[in-house]
Amino acid sequence: DQQVKQNSPSLSVQEGRISILNCDYTNSMFDYFLWYKKYPAEGPTFLISISSIKDKNEDGRFTVFLNKSAKHLSLHIVPSQPGDSAVYFCAASYGSWGKFQFGAGTQVVVTP
Amino acid sequence: GAGVSQSPRYKVAKRGQDVALRCDPISGHVSLFWYQQALGQGPEFLTYFQNEAQLDKSGLPSDRFFAERPEGSVSTLKIQRTQQEDSAVYLCASSSPVKDISSSPLHFGNGTRLTVT
Repeated sequence: DQQVKQNSPSLSVQEGRISILNCDYTNSMFDYFLWYKKYPAEGPTFLISISSIKDKNEDGRFTVFLNKSAKHLSLHIVPSQPGDSAVYFCAASYGSWGKFQFGAGTQVVVTP
Repeated sequence: GAGVSQSPRYKVAKRGQDVALRCDPISGHVSLFWYQQALGQGPEFLTYFQNEAQLDKSGLPSDRFFAERPEGSVSTLKIQRTQQEDSAVYLCASSSPVKDISSSPLHFGNGTRLTVT
């Protein structure tokens, strides 16, 4: 039962433009959402998080938006840089901290 | 300081063999997690320790999977009688047990890629 879905397996964006990554979830009990970034042959690295009591969280070039009524999460990267080329996973949890449900990931390629 | 360390990085096992995967968490992190990542998928939760206590093992796919953390630091994930469907990257993560996730997200190791032939 896939409760967190990333429906776009890949995204190509020009350097300097905005990258928008989307994530949908089905479980209304989720209370924390996170984005992780993963380079090949490395483990996922924490990027940014948001609690269900907020609708936006910003950290430098990264902003996460949460729309609880739509059960939708998005990550905006502005401006996109070549080093942002990686796989991005959204994850959600409730209750038991650390027991996350991950989406399948979106491969982002930033072109010069 | 050092991050989460996993060994071996790669493991090839013949079907039916037993394997043991090791995880050294970040020093001082009491919470330790194991995740399994199949090709093209996101990580899936396997089990969770707080210190030496295994508090949740609901994600272990079968009784062939066993995890331990006897002294509350290093953890070992053991898979008995490996099957081809066990082929995946096994990720270990650690964190502090605080609820403020902005200061204590999961810190993942680089994983062990297990291939069962």
